[in-house]
Amino acid sequence: DQQVKQNSPSLSVQEGRISILNCDYTNSMFDYFLWYKKYPAEGPTFLISISSIKDKNEDGRFTVFLNKSAKHLSLHIVPSQPGDSAVYFCADSNAGNNRKLIWGLGTSLAVNP
Amino acid sequence: NAGVTQTPKFQVLKTGQSMTLQCAQDMNHNSMYWYRQDPGMGLRLIYYSASEGTTDKGEVPNGYNVSRLNKREFSLRLESAAPSQTSVYFCASTLWSGAGTGELFFGEGSRLTVL
Repeated sequence: DQQVKQNSPSLSVQEGRISILNCDYTNSMFDYFLWYKKYPAEGPTFLISISSIKDKNEDGRFTVFLNKSAKHLSLHIVPSQPGDSAVYFCADSNAGNNRKLIWGLGTSLAVNP
Repeated sequence: NAGVTQTPKFQVLKTGQSMTLQCAQDMNHNSMYWYRQDPGMGLRLIYYSASEGTTDKGEVPNGYNVSRLNKREFSLRLESAAPSQTSVYFCASTLWSGAGTGELFFGEGSRLTVL
């Protein structure tokens, strides 16, 4: 059974510091992992992805690290800004699963001024 | 460019009433999805349509029906609403062709309350 786990329901950091959001998975056959960001009363929006053949993907302040041996990935936000306060979801994307994303439960990030 | 549009944004129903949530996308995407989000449960897939003319069940299809009316539109119907269907519903779409990340584009959500 494929699972994606975000073990920290919430995280609080100071503005300007690093935010690290974690995600663990069980499926070794994924093609991509995607991170989504969700503000209250809005739909999730795509943030960044990482391919299974890479260890790192960077986009501005956002970097995803993939550790395949540990089946773990993390999203780093540096520096954190108050506008980053949102719920972050990681999702497993597998072409063999008709691209039905397998979602984690999300981590609520609060960036304090 | 509107992206994914859902209607209505808010709805209150009484137990046993029926209603249809409408979703349309203008990105020429092949695949469309309906999710529900409940506190502590994340996003759960109700139904999806990999391409026009096909629909398949997701994780939590009971109590729902869907129609892929054309490539643009994918509706979700509650035939006899129950309080357990109180939730926020999201429609999403993707250009999935077997390649690429499978990135989904979401609508703003429809908040449904069943009394």
